Amino acid sequence: DAMVIQNPRYQVTQFGKPVTLSCSQTLNHNVMYWYQQKSSQAPKLLFHYYDKDFNNEADTPDNFQSRRPNTSFCFLDIRSPGLGDAAMYLCATSRALAGVDTQYFGPGTRLTVL
Amino acid sequence: AQKVTQAQTEISVVEKEDVTLDCVYETRDTTYYLFWYKQPPSGELVFLIRRNSFDEQNEISGRYSWNFQKSTSSFNFTITASQVVDSAVYFCALRASGSSNTGKLIFGQGTTLQVKP
Repeated sequence: DAMVIQNPRYQVTQFGKPVTLSCSQTLNHNVMYWYQQKSSQAPKLLFHYYDKDFNNEADTPDNFQSRRPNTSFCFLDIRSPGLGDAAMYLCATSRALAGVDTQYFGPGTRLTVL
Repeated sequence: AQKVTQAQTEISVVEKEDVTLDCVYETRDTTYYLFWYKQPPSGELVFLIRRNSFDEQNEISGRYSWNFQKSTSSFNFTITASQVVDSAVYFCALRASGSSNTGKLIFGQGTTLQVKP
């Protein structure tokens, strides 16, 4: 089945220790998104890639970076995680055609910062 | 400004009851898109439906139905004969078409539905 895959599902890191979260997709979608979702809150978009073009949200901290080496993979790098970065990180993909795209989400990676 | 309001924070029903989840949105755009997603305890956001602003036809899919009313800026979601597996957080979301066909979804705060056996 075509899908969005996130690894790992659970990640524990230490305060200030860089961490990378991974997303891959077999849907051949050209857009990939990263959302942050804190406990009991709605998901919040951090950034997205439209093909190779990176689109950052204005309020996304510099501590968060992303890489998309090819169509299938996208990475979220947190350079110096703080306690406030503990959250669920959701990757989504879509195929951008005429009209607005529909985003399909992966299972998420739950990040714990000690 | 764009905004989505899900006034019901938590709803609890007994299995087989019908339940309606409310969603009210605000946007100045004439063309926009509305979505519902389900988030079970596992955490994955599951796409349920997408509705375009120029299509006010209501939709039914099995036990799920959606009532879109532009006059009241609402896009309500009804589950008929609820089941325990329907227990999840449900998010309503809005996307304006803007100048791009990609971009962020504006989510409501979510409604936690608990269906008891």
